[in-house]
Amino acid sequence: AQKITQTQPGMFVQEKEAVTLDCTYDTSDPSYGLFWYKQPSSGEMIFLIYQGSYDQQNATEGRYSLNFQKARKSANLVISASQLGDSAMYFCAMREGPRYSSASKIIFGSGTRLSIRP
Amino acid sequence: DAEITQSPRHKITETGRQVTLACHQTWNHNNMFWYRQDLGHGLRLIHYSYGVQDTNKGEVSDGYSVSRSNTEDLPLTLESAASSQTSVYFCASSEGGLGSGELFFGEGSRLTVL
Repeated sequence: AQKITQTQPGMFVQEKEAVTLDCTYDTSDPSYGLFWYKQPSSGEMIFLIYQGSYDQQNATEGRYSLNFQKARKSANLVISASQLGDSAMYFCAMREGPRYSSASKIIFGSGTRLSIRP
Repeated sequence: DAEITQSPRHKITETGRQVTLACHQTWNHNNMFWYRQDLGHGLRLIHYSYGVQDTNKGEVSDGYSVSRSNTEDLPLTLESAASSQTSVYFCASSEGGLGSGELFFGEGSRLTVL
């Protein structure tokens, strides 16, 4: 069965520093996708970044990058130059099955609460 | 713009009552999902559907049911609400077939069972 683990319940980081949020996963399917979502205090879920299991390069989206270590089954989120607005809950998630499959479910880790200090 | 809406956004009910949370999406997505969010557990999958007339159980399906009679709607029913079902419920959809399969979320429904 697929599984997502986030071992950091909470983190404090100084503004403008880089931060890494850890995520490990477990799946027996060779084709899968990994996601990071942000949930600010307002409650909405915001998609940040996606990495496919066959993607050769690490995904990047602005200040977000995904450090994909396939052999270690880790998919850490790196936020460069953190800002106060980055304070939020962050969830790692995984989809089993091919990217273009019409039938795929996504499961989530327990989340990491990131707090940025001014 | 396409969207996914949930109603009600907030509901208080009593133990034993039947409750239905509505979810409506205009993305024309085949895949729809219900999650519950609880402190320390993240989002846990309750039920999901890959298309009309298709429903599947997730990891925490006991006490919940769904039905999919059209592409746009996936209502979640709590047959007999229990205090353990107090939670924030999120509906989501994904297009499957194309793209990364990322989820598009509704704004959430906060349910309190007294």
